[in-house]
Amino acid sequence: GAVVSQHPSRVICKSGTSVKIECRSLDFQATTMFWYRQFPKQSLMLMATSNEGSKATYEQGVEKDKFLINHASLTLSTLTVTSAHPEDSSFYICSARPHRGPYNEQFFGPGTRLTVL
Amino acid sequence: AQKVTQAQTEISVVEKEDVTLDCVYETRDTTYYLFWYKQPPSGELVFLIRRNSFDEQNEISGRYSWNFQKSTSSFNFTITASQVVDSAVYFCARGNEKLTFGTGTRLTIIP
Repeated sequence: GAVVSQHPSRVICKSGTSVKIECRSLDFQATTMFWYRQFPKQSLMLMATSNEGSKATYEQGVEKDKFLINHASLTLSTLTVTSAHPEDSSFYICSARPHRGPYNEQFFGPGTRLTVL
Repeated sequence: AQKVTQAQTEISVVEKEDVTLDCVYETRDTTYYLFWYKQPPSGELVFLIRRNSFDEQNEISGRYSWNFQKSTSSFNFTITASQVVDSAVYFCARGNEKLTFGTGTRLTIIP
């Protein structure tokens, strides 16, 4: 149980286009989902916390207009990278916290590798 | 910011050797949780352990063991009799709702 999926797993796009990444909790409801970014050979950095039905909370230094997050249901959160540029190329990982369960429990998705040409 | 420090960026050991990965954290919280994750080349994070700050008992799970020393703010991870499949990047993390990750240690097990 407790499976989180991400789609797509890999995406290559041209500079200036927008890319949407989906994060789904497959067998549980997730009140809260988190979005992380990981540059090559670096750590995971929390970008934002997404709560179902409300606006996402962004970490300091993360542009909310650049990284649009929508958490429309208890099983789906989306991250849209708007007008992507090469510096946005990164590995994006989501995690989901079950609606029922320890408040610090998170299940991670497999990640989405974004390459902007 | 409350940091998590993994001073060892890369470690290489020969198969069957034991290896310890260090983790030191900062926190102002009275209650917090500590985690270890494994990230193989595929990129997917694999959960290894979660430890409550009130529980200072060491834990062993097969070839894995963890040593939590609250007095030194350390949560070290030991792999006994290492195997090639243990090669990965290992992350230590601290937090309650939000997690702060360390910079990771790249472990290479040489056959």
